[in-house]
Amino acid sequence: AQSVSQHNHHVILSEAASLELGCNYSYGGTVNLFWYVQYPGQHLQLLLKYFSGDPLVKGIKGFEAEFIKSKFSFNLRKPSVQWSDTAEYFCAFSMNTGFQKLVFGTGTRLLVSP
Amino acid sequence: DTAVSQTPKYLVTQMGNDKSIKCEQNLGHDTMYWYKQDSKKFLKIMFSYNNKELIINETVPNRFSPKSPDKAHLNLHINSLELGDSAVYFCASSSTSKTGELFFGEGSRLTVL
Repeated sequence: AQSVSQHNHHVILSEAASLELGCNYSYGGTVNLFWYVQYPGQHLQLLLKYFSGDPLVKGIKGFEAEFIKSKFSFNLRKPSVQWSDTAEYFCAFSMNTGFQKLVFGTGTRLLVSP
Repeated sequence: DTAVSQTPKYLVTQMGNDKSIKCEQNLGHDTMYWYKQDSKKFLKIMFSYNNKELIINETVPNRFSPKSPDKAHLNLHINSLELGDSAVYFCASSSTSKTGELFFGEGSRLTVL
């Protein structure tokens, strides 16, 4: 079955620290990859997406992610986090065939202390 | 102007009751979804409609019945509510031309007592 694994369930960082959140997906075909963010009490918002082309994609608020096909990975990075990055981060993918449904990972809760 | 709006945002009810959650999108999208987010924040798709036709129906108890009167609306009706139905239900929409990119509503928190 298709699935997404996010290795870190909780991450605590100080402001200005660098961030890397791991994401691996399980599917042998072509995929579209996404990171969504959910700020406390809010709905999910798209952070960045990969469909094709350059495997290093840049999103909003200084986030970027790299698609490594051989590792089935799509890790999220940010060189210097801010307190306002405190949120839940979800990795997701959809299969590039037929009607789309997003398969989400279990999320990583990031807490950035000032 | 909210792109995907859900009502109500909060719903507290007793076991055994029937309740509905409504969703509307003004993005001109042709596909709408219901996702359930449990207490551990795990998001799981429940249903998806494309142009009012049901296209995804995951393993969901038949107490849950979605209805799409038109492609801008997708409602969720739940019969005989159980404690385990307590969750946040997110509506989302997308365009089939924008592969997999979903726009989410703010969620409806359902608490069953």
